[in-house]
Amino acid sequence: AQTVTQSQPEMSVQEAETVTLSCTYDTSESDYYLFWYKQPPSRQMILVIRQEAYKQQNATENRFSVNFQKAAKSFSLKISDSQLGDAAMYFCAYRSAKMGGNKLVFGAGTILRVKS
Amino acid sequence: DAGITQSPRHKVTETGTPVTLRCHQTENHRYMYWYRQDPGHGLRLIHYSYGVKDTDKGEVSDGYSVSRSKTEDFLLTLESATSSQTSVYFCAIKSGQGIYNEQFFGPGTRLTVL
Repeated sequence: AQTVTQSQPEMSVQEAETVTLSCTYDTSESDYYLFWYKQPPSRQMILVIRQEAYKQQNATENRFSVNFQKAAKSFSLKISDSQLGDAAMYFCAYRSAKMGGNKLVFGAGTILRVKS
Repeated sequence: DAGITQSPRHKVTETGTPVTLRCHQTENHRYMYWYRQDPGHGLRLIHYSYGVKDTDKGEVSDGYSVSRSKTEDFLLTLESATSSQTSVYFCAIKSGQGIYNEQFFGPGTRLTVL
């Protein structure tokens, strides 16, 4: 079974600075997808970024980018120019690429606090 | 928001009572999911559906049942609620085709079992 580990329960960053959230995962599969979801206090789950395991190039979405290290099974999220609106719980998630691989496996989450 | 609504949004109930949570979608998605969110665990899959009357278990299905009699509605039932089922429940749908499919989540239901 796949597992996802987020080792940082909480992180803090100063507004306008950069922060990196860590995620490691365990799988025996070679083809899969990785995601970062943001959950603000409203509780809504918002997809931030996704990465296909077969792509070597790291995904980027505006101020959000990932560092995907397949051999190390590591998938960190970098937030540049942090804004107050980035304060939220962030979840790393894994999904198999197999047919019927519908299940998302989530990490426990990292609370990000942004200081003004 | 992918047209997903959940009802009720908040519920307080007593141990031993039956509870049904409803997920409603307006975009005719085939796949629907129920997750629960607990501190220290992230979100965990309870059950999912891949079509009308087609459902399967997730990793934490004990104590829960589901039904899907029409495409737009996916019901989660706690036959006899226990305090360990106090949680936030999220419904999700799968949107897109092939490798470009994503899961989008509803607003969540906070359930408290006293």
